[in-house]
Amino acid sequence: AQSVTQLDSQVPVFEEAPVELRCNYSSSVSVYLFWYVQYPNQGLQLLLKYLSGSTLVKGINGFEAEFNKSQTSFHLRKPSVHISDTAEYFCAVSWAGGATNKLIFGTGTLLAVQP
Amino acid sequence: DAGVTQSPTHLIKTRGQQVTLRCSPKSGHDTVSWYQQALGQGPQFIFQYYEEEERQRGNFPDRFSGHQFPNYSSELNVNALLLGDSALYLCASSPTGTASYEQYFGPGTRLTVT
Repeated sequence: AQSVTQLDSQVPVFEEAPVELRCNYSSSVSVYLFWYVQYPNQGLQLLLKYLSGSTLVKGINGFEAEFNKSQTSFHLRKPSVHISDTAEYFCAVSWAGGATNKLIFGTGTLLAVQP
Repeated sequence: DAGVTQSPTHLIKTRGQQVTLRCSPKSGHDTVSWYQQALGQGPQFIFQYYEEEERQRGNFPDRFSGHQFPNYSSELNVNALLLGDSALYLCASSPTGTASYEQYFGPGTRLTVT
């Protein structure tokens, strides 16, 4: 069975500072990896995805993530955050080659950017 | 190009009642998935519909059922509501094809059961 662990429930950071949100997954088969962002009272928006190829993936709003197969991790990073980045961030996996693209989500990390 | 739309935005129901939530997928998408997001949690997969049939189901009781129409829109029905069914219900759509694993999410329906 697949599972996703987001170790930090909340990450406070000052504006213009770098940030890393951690995500580890557990799976006995190959997976696809995703990061979604959820702003207050809104649905989920895809930030970036890893399907195959280069392990460094760049997404929207200046975010990037690196897939590390040996560490089973997919940490999200941004070199300089803005107040507008304050939101809930979810890491998710789906089974590569599965019958569907069902997503399994972590519990989320609240990124709180302070001025 | 309209994205995924859901209705209603908010809903308040009483325990034991039944509720129907609606979803219209993004243009060009024919696969619809439903997720339940309890407060402070990540979304949990309920089921996925494709070609008007339930293709996969998560760990939810039979009180949760769905339907997909020929125009690819979908409904989620929940019977005999419990307090624990209070959550944000998210609909996601995607096109067919093994290369298209991205799901596009709607804004959700906030269900409160009292």
